Amino acid sequence: NAGVMQNPRHLVRRRGQEARLRCSPMKGHSHVYWYRQLPEEGLKFMVYLQKENIIDESGMPKERFSAEFPKEGPSILRIQQVVRGDSAAYFCASSDNNYGYTFGSGTRLTVV
Amino acid sequence: KNQVEQSPQSLIILEGKNCTLQCNYTVSPFSNLRWYKQDTGRGPVSLTIMTFSENTKSNGRYTATLDADTKQSSLHITASQLSDSASYICVVSGRQAGTALIFGKGTTLSVSS
Repeated sequence: NAGVMQNPRHLVRRRGQEARLRCSPMKGHSHVYWYRQLPEEGLKFMVYLQKENIIDESGMPKERFSAEFPKEGPSILRIQQVVRGDSAAYFCASSDNNYGYTFGSGTRLTVV
Repeated sequence: KNQVEQSPQSLIILEGKNCTLQCNYTVSPFSNLRWYKQDTGRGPVSLTIMTFSENTKSNGRYTATLDADTKQSSLHITASQLSDSASYICVVSGRQAGTALIFGKGTTLSVSS
């Protein structure tokens, strides 16, 4: 069991480009969560998804950000027209709905 | 507003010493409280998880306590090692399992020789 896999580990984008972050949950986990961690800050909840459904997106910015968890393949967090303020570490966690959360190692997005 | 506050913000101790980190929360209704360790550049790793009916839980040199009445938790680290240098994050779930977690900002622990 390889755990929660996130890629890429590091991503550099110019302002205005799109960023796509991928997360493959642990085998058997059907719940995926995305969190953002700004420098010197704690992790902040963004969105909670189950297969093909968004359950809670209360932490997602209203514009430019979207997330999906298709029936097949990884969950994708997509940021359109990135700005410098989007630079952060983005963590994905997966759960089997039995209290167990496992985090990935994160994707560090730098917008130049 | 559901919040998780941790103290101190940072802590420096000598190798071999003990230390205690604090967590206060206002999350309600409360489901469970977790302590995570986050090494620099890595994702958080679970240390302990406690429901409202549990007062203490240990994981090796880590012992967590929970007082659900006062909404306080502590993480005690015994005989600290250099590898304990990390950020320790208190996380509270306010609803049933399978929903989002509320994170504290963490305590940064530095263990020096």
